[in-house]
Amino acid sequence: DVKVTQSSRYLVKRTGEKVFLECVQDMDHENMFWYRQDPGLGLRLIYFSYDVKMKEKGDIPEGYSVSREKKERFSLILESASTNQTSMYLCASSLSNSDIRRYEQYFGPGTRLTVT
Amino acid sequence: KQEVTQIPAALSVPEGENLVLNCSFTDSAIYNLQWFRQDPGKGLTSLLLIQSSQREQTSGRLNASLDKSSGRSTLYIAASQPGDSATYLCAVMPWSNYQLIWGAGTKLIIKP
Repeated sequence: DVKVTQSSRYLVKRTGEKVFLECVQDMDHENMFWYRQDPGLGLRLIYFSYDVKMKEKGDIPEGYSVSREKKERFSLILESASTNQTSMYLCASSLSNSDIRRYEQYFGPGTRLTVT
Repeated sequence: KQEVTQIPAALSVPEGENLVLNCSFTDSAIYNLQWFRQDPGKGLTSLLLIQSSQREQTSGRLNASLDKSSGRSTLYIAASQPGDSATYLCAVMPWSNYQLIWGAGTKLIIKP
């Protein structure tokens, strides 16, 4: 079974803090994704990575950056957290960088981030 | 622009019933379609993925169908159980890029 883990289930941070969200997958997947999920807006892609050190912007990259130094780990960084970044953050992974579209995405349990 | 719609937004049925969840999309040029379930406050669990060349996929009590020409997919759940209570999401992968387009989900409640 594919396992995607996220470092925290719940996180509370203050405005202006630098926040790191970590995601690890154990299935040697090439592709990894960060989404945020908000009521009424559904899931929106922030960034994805198709290989180590490679990244692409999604729909809403503003205010976020990512890091992928190892294949199994994909980090989402909030450089200076703001209250409008309060959300559920979901990490996902999928097989193969030859065609990112082909394989199903497997999700982690999510991190509920509150910025006060 | 591709849009994905799931109707109804919420559904409540007695245990044991067979039921169908609907997903419609506006552009038939899709690469594949994926169904997920999400339990409250948790991540998504992948249920079924249907490639554009396929008509259906089955896993246990679940069967998903795809009709690209009409822009529809259905998720059939047989002999529903209270443990099936969750929000079910469908997502479409377009041919033109690599970003899933998501429906808003159907919240399913199975009453014991």
